[in-house]
Amino acid sequence: DAKTTQPPSMDCAEGRAANLPCNHSTISGNEYVYWYRQIHSQGPQYIIHGLKNNETNEMASLIITEDRKSSTLILPHATLRDTAVYYCIVRVANTGNQFYFGTGTSLTVIP
Amino acid sequence: NAGVTQTPKFRILKIGQSMTLQCTQDMNHNYMYWYRQDPGMGLKLIYYSVGAGITDKGEVPNGYNVSRSTTEDFPLRLELAAPSQTSVYFCASSYRTERNSPLHFGNGTRLTVT
Repeated sequence: DAKTTQPPSMDCAEGRAANLPCNHSTISGNEYVYWYRQIHSQGPQYIIHGLKNNETNEMASLIITEDRKSSTLILPHATLRDTAVYYCIVRVANTGNQFYFGTGTSLTVIP
Repeated sequence: NAGVTQTPKFRILKIGQSMTLQCTQDMNHNYMYWYRQDPGMGLKLIYYSVGAGITDKGEVPNGYNVSRSTTEDFPLRLELAAPSQTSVYFCASSYRTERNSPLHFGNGTRLTVT
């Protein structure tokens, strides 16, 4: 079973911020939240990860709620090249370093 | 660095044939993984390895075998190909045992079994 819940699809206007939500209500205290994206069935691409503090890099920002039960990936100025499937992942505490992917959110950036 | 390299990129097998999907990484990562992705679906973990000589099952291991004789290589073996194994196969690796090491993926092998 997937350990995260994401909406199946979202649209975003080009140039606007894309906010992709993820619920992970069973996350353990020392489990990180990761975000990946997959474009045209290529290998998934790492975007960002975090534990409890908000994180930002050159690709995106990650906002994690204080109770850590949900997070939001923000693409500040979406472009057409950001159209992809976005996966939110947490590691399962009792399975070591396995990463379990759900079905993700299909983001379409509209011109 | 080439990163994670998978071969072949495409393959068509007949039912009952066998093949090995190759995966190699040059980042000295000790963790390696095999995933499959069926059309329109997310990735499912087949097998993973935490180091040379150590492998373990993921979510969907039936019909597959793996070995890890070196840090760099993690081949996936299909012994008796079945149509249900038609999928895209991704290999991935990560650096250390700490929980904040991201996965690095190869570009996949597209397998069709007819």
